[in-house]
Amino acid sequence: GIQVEQSPPDLILQEGANSTLRCNFSDSVNNLQWFHQNPWGQLINLFYIPSGTKQNGRLSATTVATERYSLLYISSSQTTDSGVYFCAVMKTSYDKVIFGPGTSLSVIP
Amino acid sequence: DAGVTQSPTHLIKTRGQQVTLRCSPISGHKSVSWYQQVLGQGPQFIFQYYEKEERGRGNFPDRFSARQFPNYSSELNVNALLLGDSALYLCASSFTTGGFGEQYFGPGTRLTVT
Repeated sequence: GIQVEQSPPDLILQEGANSTLRCNFSDSVNNLQWFHQNPWGQLINLFYIPSGTKQNGRLSATTVATERYSLLYISSSQTTDSGVYFCAVMKTSYDKVIFGPGTSLSVIP
Repeated sequence: DAGVTQSPTHLIKTRGQQVTLRCSPISGHKSVSWYQQVLGQGPQFIFQYYEKEERGRGNFPDRFSARQFPNYSSELNVNALLLGDSALYLCASSFTTGGFGEQYFGPGTRLTVT
């Protein structure tokens, strides 16, 4: 099956700093999503991005499907950005969704 | 519009018991997927249902089963509960004609098995 890796596993930022989170996957995929899991466990959609670049406020994401990776950029981080960021990939022929292990982000004032 | 809803929010069961978790998708979404998330790990895919048919299954034992109703809501059943079944169970819905589309998650059901 597909292997999904995320880096770094943990990240501590000062409020206002920028960061880049990476997701690598071992096979071609049909879909890819980025999620933010808040401290209460709710998974919040950030991007649905099987390829290309998208931006939403301070967040942006780029997926290079041919090279099997995706990047999530967080600019001017805020304490509310704290939590775990997951990428999830989907390959129709496997009929399942695979989540990466996540990046745990802590933004300190 | 309401998002994905799940019930109950929390549940405590004893080893060997059976549990049923419920999920209502976003209006218009016909696909429902179930995930198990143990502490410190990413969600693990259990099932996907689309138009009341199972379309995908993860590596879970037969103690786990699910179904989807004509209104597209879904139930996840777990029999003969083990301590290792303690986890956050997440439901996601998507509007898709097949395969996996953009998924939207509910708040989850936290199951504790004692």
